[in-house]
Amino acid sequence: AQSVTQLDSQVPVFEEAPVELRCNYSSSVSVYLFWYVQYPNQGLQLLLKYLSGSTLVKGINGFEAEFNKSQTSFHLRKPSVHISDTAEYFCAVSDDGATNKLIFGTGTLLAVQP
Amino acid sequence: EPEVTQTPSHQVTQMGQEVILRCVPISNHLYFYWYRQILGQKVEFLVSFYNNEISEKSEIFDDQFSVERPDGSNFTLKIRSTKLEDSAMYFCASSGGARNEQFFGPGTRLTVL
Repeated sequence: AQSVTQLDSQVPVFEEAPVELRCNYSSSVSVYLFWYVQYPNQGLQLLLKYLSGSTLVKGINGFEAEFNKSQTSFHLRKPSVHISDTAEYFCAVSDDGATNKLIFGTGTLLAVQP
Repeated sequence: EPEVTQTPSHQVTQMGQEVILRCVPISNHLYFYWYRQILGQKVEFLVSFYNNEISEKSEIFDDQFSVERPDGSNFTLKIRSTKLEDSAMYFCASSGGARNEQFFGPGTRLTVL
């Protein structure tokens, strides 16, 4: 069975500092990996995705993530955060099955402080 | 830009009552999903729907739940007899293909009293 682990429930960081949000997954089959962002009282918005090809994927708002198969990780990074990046970030995995359902991690609250 | 919409944004109901949550997926999408997020917890898959039938459902999706695409545009989630533990944010999502990005709606917050 697939699962996603986000070890950090909350990451406080100062504005303009770099940040890394960690995500590890487990799966016995080929996976597709996603990062979604949830701003307060809003739905989920896709930041970036890994389906195949280059292991470094770039997304919206200056975020990027690197797929590391040997470490089963898909960490999210941004070199310089803004106050507006304060949100909940969810890592998700789906398999190569017919439905492509998403399995989400527990989320990481990125709290950017001035 | 096309988007997934959901109504109502907030639904309050008494335990034991039936509720119907409505979603309008993106018009040319073929795959539809419901997820839920209990307050403070992770987003959980409930059910996926393709070609007018359920393609997969989780163990959460028991006999009290049903989904329907009644008119080719709406996609509904019905909870027949709500329980306190059904209180959650319910998200609808749609996708143009099985491996495509899923677009999420803003959610319906269901409160069962």
